Amino acid sequence: KAGVTQTPRYLIKTRGQQVTLSCSPISGHRSVSWYQQTPGQGLQFLFEYFSETQRNKGNFPGRFSGRQFSNSRSEMNVSTLELGDSALYLCASSLTSGPTYEQYFGPGTRLTVT
Amino acid sequence: GESVGLHLPTLSVQEGDNSIINCAYSNSASDYFIWYKQESGKGPQFIIDIRSNMDKRQGQRVTVLLNKTVKHLSLQIAATQPGDSAVYFCAAPGGPNYGGSQGNLIFGKGTKLSVKP
Repeated sequence: KAGVTQTPRYLIKTRGQQVTLSCSPISGHRSVSWYQQTPGQGLQFLFEYFSETQRNKGNFPGRFSGRQFSNSRSEMNVSTLELGDSALYLCASSLTSGPTYEQYFGPGTRLTVT
Repeated sequence: GESVGLHLPTLSVQEGDNSIINCAYSNSASDYFIWYKQESGKGPQFIIDIRSNMDKRQGQRVTVLLNKTVKHLSLQIAATQPGDSAVYFCAAPGGPNYGGSQGNLIFGKGTKLSVKP
């Protein structure tokens, strides 16, 4: 079974631009979560989508948004990029049924804002 | 809300020795904990989980211990190998605006494990 895939793997953008990152979950997984990872703040929850609906949102500004499509693929968008948005953006998928919170992470998209 | 934290940012062990990575949490109502391993250039990988109705759970070469009295859990790796070198995170449900769904995890800062050959 193919794992979680994220595209692109690396991205360099200029301050003020916007960016869209893509995530394809494991086949059959309907929940997709996004996390931001930085050396200073560690892994921080951005948002979670299930069946095209946002179920949860972390404490990030409105410049961070996302969506999920009917095939469970998800995208996140960051508008008006700031230097502090430089981070590894991780996507994770899960079945959402059963007793486990086990999430499967993709390799991440490394975003550098200059 | 929940917070989880690891005690040591780095840990260095000799190959073949046992490793113990510790984690503390703040919310006594937390009922589920997960350990993840993140190797360089990769996303976190699930290692093992434990529910609050258990004190101990074993996997392949790994054991997680949960002490609810002092809100502490640990990950023990037996016979540590060079392939175990990675950053280890403990995590629990309960990030910001947590509404009970599975996808909102709060992570500790991580312990970087280095294995000396």
